[in-house]
Amino acid sequence: GQNIDQPTEMTATEGAIVQINCTYQTSGFNGLFWYQQHAGEAPTFLSYNVLDGLEEKGRFSSFLSRSKGYSYLLLKEIQMKDSASYLCAALDSNDQLIWGAGTKLIIKP
Amino acid sequence: NAGVTQTPKFRVLKTGQSMTLLCAQDMNHEYMYWYRQDPGMGLRLIHYSVGEGTTAKGEVPDGYNVSRLKKQNFLLGLESAAPSQTSVYFCASSYGGDTDTQYFGPGTRLTVL
Repeated sequence: GQNIDQPTEMTATEGAIVQINCTYQTSGFNGLFWYQQHAGEAPTFLSYNVLDGLEEKGRFSSFLSRSKGYSYLLLKEIQMKDSASYLCAALDSNDQLIWGAGTKLIIKP
Repeated sequence: NAGVTQTPKFRVLKTGQSMTLLCAQDMNHEYMYWYRQDPGMGLRLIHYSVGEGTTAKGEVPDGYNVSRLKKQNFLLGLESAAPSQTSVYFCASSYGGDTDTQYFGPGTRLTVL
């Protein structure tokens, strides 16, 4: 079956660096998305990786290893406004999106 | 641009009642989706549409129907609501299908008693 695994919850201190991991098992693979979802709000797009390596976008970076079925989202110098759930979603060979349950990031001052 | 809008934002239904959720987008996107989001679970695709006049079943279509009579609107219907349909419903749209960024509406929180 197809599956996405990510931690349910993480806690970090303001100003720290946080890495949120995601492992996927899909029938084929056509890319991986990360979305941010603040409590009570809609998911919003953060990144899309289809090739191996690290893509940096300001304080947020996303990494992909296709051979390991693994991705992570790296948040640098985290701020209170980064408190949210982070959703990992993988595209299978039929271009169907498989969504993870999300990682809730709790930030303490 | 309003992006993706959904009405209503909240709704309480009794078991057996029917209702329609409306999604509208002003980005001229071809693809539109209806998801439900439940605690501890990923977003689950209910139905989707690849263009005006087309609809297709997603992962969890039972108990729901959809229509896409106009390109900008995607309606989700519940003919006979059940408590298991208590959830938050999100509509999304994209220009180029699943390989493209999806833009989500603000969600509808539905409770079925």
